[in-house]
Amino acid sequence: DTGVSQNPRHKITKRGQNVTFRCDPISEHNRLYWYRQTLGQGPEFLTYFQNEAQLEKSRLLSDRFSAERPKGSFSTLEIQRTEQGDSAMYLCAGTWGSNTGELFFGEGSRLTVL
Amino acid sequence: AQKITQTQPGMFVQEKEAVTLDCTYDTSDPSYGLFWYKQPSSGEMIFLIYQGSYDQQNATEGRYSLNFQKARKSANLVISASQLGDSAMYFCAMRGSRGSASKIIFGSGTRLSIRP
Repeated sequence: DTGVSQNPRHKITKRGQNVTFRCDPISEHNRLYWYRQTLGQGPEFLTYFQNEAQLEKSRLLSDRFSAERPKGSFSTLEIQRTEQGDSAMYLCAGTWGSNTGELFFGEGSRLTVL
Repeated sequence: AQKITQTQPGMFVQEKEAVTLDCTYDTSDPSYGLFWYKQPSSGEMIFLIYQGSYDQQNATEGRYSLNFQKARKSANLVISASQLGDSAMYFCAMRGSRGSASKIIFGSGTRLSIRP
């Protein structure tokens, strides 16, 4: 158990709807990352936070994607006006200032857009 | 820009044999870190091993070792005495020079299948 929980685990929605995913890391995780993973591919970087500050957002992300981490604890990832191409597993990972900075992943939130 | 390349989409290995999974990287950062993760069919991402760019020795963790060749920009994972439970996707990843505050990017992965 990595201590990182994600909800919901699976979301089915219709094209054009908005969806929001939540990630709860452990309190020691001052850095939090979001990735998108499609079947058979590696995790694709979306964005990451240092405490509540969003340090970088992938240029691949359209304006339909937004992420927040209020108070530097949990984080949300919102996708507006979903498209079928958004169907993927959305992974959240936390880490702290260890020497390696290894990521501790949640179990992911699977999005299916019909 | 940073880039991770894994050129082996899939590999089949006989149980108990050693296997090497290839990873090359590209970065202009003077300092960086390299990781390997395992993703079984159940989906969880499991951290295996880490190598810092200034580490003098290659990293080892049990049956896992990282063959780090800085001049060639390669960071291959070696698994000794493979087991059936090693069947999984394996991802190489890299962190940039902002240290543990950098973003971490992943390669496309290698699917390893162990034959009994």
